[in-house]
Amino acid sequence: EPEVTQTPSHQVTQMGQEVILRCVPISNHLYFYWYRQILGQKVEFLVSFYNNEISEKSEIFDDQFSVERPDGSNFTLKIRSTKLEDSAMYFCASSERGRGRRYPSTDTQYFGPGTRLTVL
Amino acid sequence: AQKITQTQPGMFVQEKEAVTLDCTYDTSDQSYGLFWYKQPSSGEMIFLIYQGSYDEQNATEGRYSLNFQKARKSANLVISASQLGDSAMYFCAMRPRRGGGNKLTFGTGTQLKVEL
Repeated sequence: EPEVTQTPSHQVTQMGQEVILRCVPISNHLYFYWYRQILGQKVEFLVSFYNNEISEKSEIFDDQFSVERPDGSNFTLKIRSTKLEDSAMYFCASSERGRGRRYPSTDTQYFGPGTRLTVL
Repeated sequence: AQKITQTQPGMFVQEKEAVTLDCTYDTSDQSYGLFWYKQPSSGEMIFLIYQGSYDEQNATEGRYSLNFQKARKSANLVISASQLGDSAMYFCAMRPRRGGGNKLTFGTGTQLKVEL
């Protein structure tokens, strides 16, 4: 069964450093997302991406964050200058379609296993 | 703005018994989708079940079913015949079907422990 993959599984970095989190969405999916989950808290939306551009972003997704689809398979999240409060589990997700489609199963977002980011 | 409320931070159930995990939501949208995800201790998020706001029947997926009561704005997850492997955190989430964005809004989760 196709799945979303993420690398690395765990990233440790120093405050102020840049990190790039990588994701390979399910191959026929067109919509891509990043979410984060601070330890013990709920999952929060960061950004959605479709047709090579951001379709929506949250207040968390400030100028320190950027996303890119550098080729036909990868989807990346870059944090330019990490802060202590960026420590969290980062989940990539993908869906075949977006909202408003006839068949809801194609709207479902499938998540990757996550990258645990620790900022020291 | 949309909001998901899960009022049970922790639940215990005996193996082979059924358990209901509560989820209520608040939205002004007429069309929306409701989702349940399972997060085991290993951390991944596993999609379980989906319910559309206009679906006339409650969704079912194997041992999972969704008790959808639109007038009460509740979408409770029912797990039948609980297994030890069901022990995990369970999140309810909502996404508008039209308008707004594709983002999922999650609840705070319910930690389920299945006991022998």
